[in-house]
Amino acid sequence: QITLKESGPTLVKPTQTLTLTCTFSGFSLTTSGVAVAWIRQPPGEALEWLAFIYWNDDKRYRPSLKSRLSITKDTSKNQVVLTMTNMDPVDTATYYCAHTVYKFWSMDVWGQGTTVTVSS
Amino acid sequence: DVQMTQSPSSLSASVGDRVTITCRASQNIDYHLNWYHQRPGKAPNLLIYAASTLQSGVPSRFSGSGSGTDFTLTINSLQPEDFGTYYCQQSYTSSITFGQGTKLEIK
Repeated sequence: QITLKESGPTLVKPTQTLTLTCTFSGFSLTTSGVAVAWIRQPPGEALEWLAFIYWNDDKRYRPSLKSRLSITKDTSKNQVVLTMTNMDPVDTATYYCAHTVYKFWSMDVWGQGTTVTVSS
Repeated sequence: DVQMTQSPSSLSASVGDRVTITCRASQNIDYHLNWYHQRPGKAPNLLIYAASTLQSGVPSRFSGSGSGTDFTLTINSLQPEDFGTYYCQQSYTSSITFGQGTKLEIK
């Protein structure tokens, strides 16, 4: 059974860096064709994809946020870490991580989400 | 970016109704289209992948069709638990994008 869980601060100040951790079980990020995605959802708004990290350590970022995002994996701990620099109130959202696989890259298992508020 | 446009943005339907939601891509995405359902306060749930393949465990009243730029999600015999918001998502490009969502209210 695949599970994922997000963790991190619930409140960050503007200009600070956000670090979120996705801890997963039931799969390995060393298995060919497997990836973990980060997606966010501002209150009352639509889903917004942020980043992928693939089994081969390839990475993809949302173009509009590419300069602010970094995604890494620790396969020994079964964790994926997303960092977002220079946080702004518009980044207030629920942040999800999700399991996805080649070839259709559908997010078939999601974490419960973690809510992050950006405020001074 | 590939833009995904859903219609309608919201709708209201009764238990037992047949509901159709459409999703249009700004360019050809072949059949790289996935559908999700999200209830308030919950994470999304994958319903359909590859435009028409039902995800394991999803009720057969859900079905998807389409290819290229135009796609449809159909819910036959609507059930009370089907309320919430439905999203389409393209995975044709590695920079994936979601539609803006369709909010379904049960009358």
